[in-house]
Amino acid sequence: GAGVSQSPSNKVTEKGKDVELRCDPISGHTALYWYRQSLGQGLEFLIYFQGNSAPDKSGLPSDRFSAERTGGSVSTLTIQRTQQEDSAVYLCASSLVGMDEQYFGPGTRLTVT
Amino acid sequence: EDKVVQSPLSLVVHEGDTVTLNCSYEVTNFRSLLWYKQEKKAPTFLFMLTSSGIEKKSGRLSSILDKKELFSILNITATQTGDSAVYLCAVGVYNFNKFYFGSGTKLNVKP
Repeated sequence: GAGVSQSPSNKVTEKGKDVELRCDPISGHTALYWYRQSLGQGLEFLIYFQGNSAPDKSGLPSDRFSAERTGGSVSTLTIQRTQQEDSAVYLCASSLVGMDEQYFGPGTRLTVT
Repeated sequence: EDKVVQSPLSLVVHEGDTVTLNCSYEVTNFRSLLWYKQEKKAPTFLFMLTSSGIEKKSGRLSSILDKKELFSILNITATQTGDSAVYLCAVGVYNFNKFYFGSGTKLNVKP
């Protein structure tokens, strides 16, 4: 079946604008994760959804970041008033409940100019 | 503070060489340790380890976990140019299903 998909694949935005990143997990995967990867760095955990619920939002870097998931499927990560330090690749992953093996999407490369 | 440290940061070898990648961790409520291979953007799963001393093996790759000394190694034997990638180590914890990733080891296998 289809893997995890993310859109857009690339996004260039001006500082101060809002952006919305989308993730479509594998069908049937109730767990969904968002990560951020800065150039040459490992993955930074942002948020985890079990179904539509995010039990811990402390990984989000600031209150400009928010995420939601609807219907236990699609998730959106919104960054308001983007800053240059938000430039990174944003990766989404999904997994079956109780399974730690995650399947990653191709990511969205965000560039804030 | 929970952390995962990988070494070396980068490695250059020639085809046929054997390499060992290291991952050490300090986390609260350890649940699992995972290895991923990242060639372009999306990391792909290699192994998951939860018990000490049990080797996981897949072809030329193998991995083992030491929960007493808090580290894992990933071995690749008879390396090929297709093994060139960044290898990521991640540790899962019970607290809100978080995963902590190391910064990765960049492996370059030359012909």
